[in-house]
Amino acid sequence: GGIITQTPKFLIGQEGQKLTLKCQQNFNHDTMYWYRQDSGKGLRLIYYSITENDLQKGDLSEGYDASREKKSSFSLTVTSAQKNEMAVFLCATATGRDTLYFGAGTRLSVL
Amino acid sequence: GDSVIQMQGQVTLSENDFLFINCTYSTTGYPTLFWYVQYSGEGPQLLLQVTTANNKGSSRGFEATYDKGTTSFHLQKTSVQEIDSAVYYCAMSDGSGSWQLIFGSGTQLTVMP
Repeated sequence: GGIITQTPKFLIGQEGQKLTLKCQQNFNHDTMYWYRQDSGKGLRLIYYSITENDLQKGDLSEGYDASREKKSSFSLTVTSAQKNEMAVFLCATATGRDTLYFGAGTRLSVL
Repeated sequence: GDSVIQMQGQVTLSENDFLFINCTYSTTGYPTLFWYVQYSGEGPQLLLQVTTANNKGSSRGFEATYDKGTTSFHLQKTSVQEIDSAVYYCAMSDGSGSWQLIFGSGTQLTVMP
């Protein structure tokens, strides 16, 4: 087994602010993902990384940057927070293309 | 493009009721199909998956059959309990070699005691 740790659990930002979300895993999985979860819209892929230093854009990558500094960590940056934005950002890992293991999420609110 | 459709946004049942959550998919590939469950305050976790058409997956009393003919993967449980209250996501990997899982919009299940 393993653990995925997302920090912070709650993030409150100001409009236009640059915000960084972090994800750490000890599964030793190669692939890591960032999903955005909005009520009624399911999970939408922002970025994923197949291995250290690899970055691939998902369907929702505009307005975000990502960084895979090492195998165990994957960071997501909101480049300019939008006023009244509220969402949950979920980090996930996988050994291959199929089964994902998710963290508990970071809940973002923008004032 | 590829998509997964869950029409039921919310389902409310009483304990011991029969559960049916609808899921249909669209792809030109040979997908693996999944159901994920998300309990309050947690991330989604895999409930079951099926790789091969016409096969059935089952876990914790939940079942889903991969029906290639109707492109469906409905989730069923004979008798739900209050602890089953959660959000259920249907998902698909399109089998083309893509690293993306495509998720449906989710169904919030509430089971009343």
